[in-house]
Amino acid sequence: GENVEQHPSTLSVQEGDSAVIKCTYSDSASNYFPWYKQELGKGPQLIIDIRSNVGEKKDQRIAVTLNKTAKHFSLHITETQPEDSAVYFCAASTGTYKYIFGTGTRLKVLA
Amino acid sequence: DAGVIQSPRHEVTEMGQEVTLRCKPISGHNSLFWYRQTMMRGLELLIYFNNNVPIDDSGMPEDRFSAKMPNASFSTLKIQPSEPRDSAVYFCASTFPGLAGGNEQFFGPGTRLTVL
Repeated sequence: GENVEQHPSTLSVQEGDSAVIKCTYSDSASNYFPWYKQELGKGPQLIIDIRSNVGEKKDQRIAVTLNKTAKHFSLHITETQPEDSAVYFCAASTGTYKYIFGTGTRLKVLA
Repeated sequence: DAGVIQSPRHEVTEMGQEVTLRCKPISGHNSLFWYRQTMMRGLELLIYFNNNVPIDDSGMPEDRFSAKMPNASFSTLKIQPSEPRDSAVYFCASTFPGLAGGNEQFFGPGTRLTVL
């Protein structure tokens, strides 16, 4: 079955710097890759997603890149702010209902 | 819209007791998911309903766990009897038919369960 690995598990950056979180997946049939942000005491919330027919997608300070050949995708956050501090999860899906989530990255943005 | 609603937000119970978690999906959504989140195992899908019918319950850990969706606006996850290893945060999520290739799942705030 699908397996998703996520790195790093924790990441500390200075405010204004960029943060990069990387995920790899195993099932070449995966074609949908959402990223979720989870703040303390809350449920995960979608921040950006990408489908397999696209190599990159941007939304203001957030971007996701996908390399289908290498089976990896990454989340890029530029000009980080304290409110970006949270746990971020990547996921992979073959287009059905089932998401396989990564293990999460705890991002701390230091003021 | 109020989003996905879960109750209770926190539950503390003793081993052996029955626990019932409740979820109200977003109106119009026809798919509902129950997840469990722990430090050791991360986010795990327990069960998936489509149009109130359980489609995949392969993630339900044991017979002690059961889930129902009697109508489009309500679902329950029951643990009977509960054990300390069931302590976790349980999330409900819902989604709607849309683009092929995956749809955003909207998560509720979760129920933090502690079994003593």
